Amino acid sequence: SAVISQKPSRDICQRGTSLTIQCQVDSQVTMMFWYRQQPGQSLTLIATANQGSEATYESGFVIDKFPISRPNLTFSTLTVSNMSPEDSSIYLCSVQGGYDTQYFGPGTRLTVL
Amino acid sequence: KQEVTQIPAALSVPEGENLVLNCSFTDSAIYNLQWFRQDPGKGLTSLLLIQSSQREQTSGRLNASLDKSSGRSTLYIAASQPGDSATYLCAVRFPTSGTYKYIFGTGTRLKVLA
Repeated sequence: SAVISQKPSRDICQRGTSLTIQCQVDSQVTMMFWYRQQPGQSLTLIATANQGSEATYESGFVIDKFPISRPNLTFSTLTVSNMSPEDSSIYLCSVQGGYDTQYFGPGTRLTVL
Repeated sequence: KQEVTQIPAALSVPEGENLVLNCSFTDSAIYNLQWFRQDPGKGLTSLLLIQSSQREQTSGRLNASLDKSSGRSTLYIAASQPGDSATYLCAVRFPTSGTYKYIFGTGTRLKVLA
């Protein structure tokens, strides 16, 4: 299994600003994933982050809006840039474990005013 | 378009009841399917993973079945308890080349009354 922590757990931000979310895993993993869960909606994959390469973004998500860093095998950051109220969501970090099991962090609840 | 649907959206049952949560998906060519539990402020916890070649998986009071031909999975919870109250999410991994992408359903919000 993998234990994942995220910082911050929640934040309230003003529109036009940026927030960087940190994800730390207690073991080395090849791939890390960033998901968004908008209010009342299901989880949507934002991007897949591999160490040493550029993140792969899903349709509808762009690097300028959601830049991702992956400096090593246990850590990643997701930045939500130039925020608007529509970015208010829960952002979750995830990793692939053994036997295809996915492990999730506790999430970061973001409110944009 | 690959989609995952969960019915019902919400369910309230008295303690001790057996219950079934439903998940349907649009493409029978899946890689695997996972059931998750989501508690407020605690992220997601994987409950059961069913590979494409399997028909069911069991863990304690939970049993998940998979019928690819009909595009359905069910999560059976036996003898429900108030601690089972949470949102249950179904996620399907389709064989999209080069990714480990899961498509999530919108979840079933379960409340078990003491």
